[in-house]
Amino acid sequence: SYVLTQPPSVSVAPGQTARITCGGNNIGSKSVHWYQQRPGQAPVLVVYDDSVRPSGIPERFSGSNSVNTATLTISRVEAGDEADYYCQVWDSTSDPNWVFGGGTKLTVL
Amino acid sequence: QVQLVQSGAEVKKPGASVRVSCKASGYTFTSYGISWVRQAPGQGLEWMGWISTYNGDTNYAQKFQGRVTMTTDTSTSTAYMELRSLRSDDTAVYYCARAYCLSPTCYSFDYWGQGTLVTVSS
Repeated sequence: SYVLTQPPSVSVAPGQTARITCGGNNIGSKSVHWYQQRPGQAPVLVVYDDSVRPSGIPERFSGSNSVNTATLTISRVEAGDEADYYCQVWDSTSDPNWVFGGGTKLTVL
Repeated sequence: QVQLVQSGAEVKKPGASVRVSCKASGYTFTSYGISWVRQAPGQGLEWMGWISTYNGDTNYAQKFQGRVTMTTDTSTSTAYMELRSLRSDDTAVYYCARAYCLSPTCYSFDYWGQGTLVTVSS
């Protein structure tokens, strides 16, 4: 099965930039999606197809993907951004077909 | 607006079955598939399977093959997920999510239900 690796935690001060990575073999050839999950809530899509923001998601959220690492970047971090973040890819040759990373807890100091 | 509303929490004994429903509104139900994802307490997201609401085709993760059945009722725009032979490690929040696929590619999960807690305990 295809494996996505995320750091368990990232910490950042308010107003700074947070970068959350998602590693996978040749992930640059796949479309990566990112979800935010606040405690007790359902996940919310914040970036899809590597770098596209859904309607309603602030411009502070951006994504990139190259070679073996995809990155979710959150600029001017706010207290409300504190949450778990998951990356996801679709791989038709893998089981399971949809794969999630293990998740990264973003702490706003 | 797009909404996915799931059924309420369930408590089941080991060996029993559970069926969770997911009622969609705000869009054409048969234009998007439905995926099911679960999350054990304190753990990450785990994809279970996908169903085409257009023709009922299913795609289950190997881990759940033989124990899960996903169905839809297009007359009520509702998707169902049944999990059988429940074990304590099936205790989790189960989510439905809207998932578009256009062969051979599938895309992101753009809307999610609120989640249904299933507790398996003797």
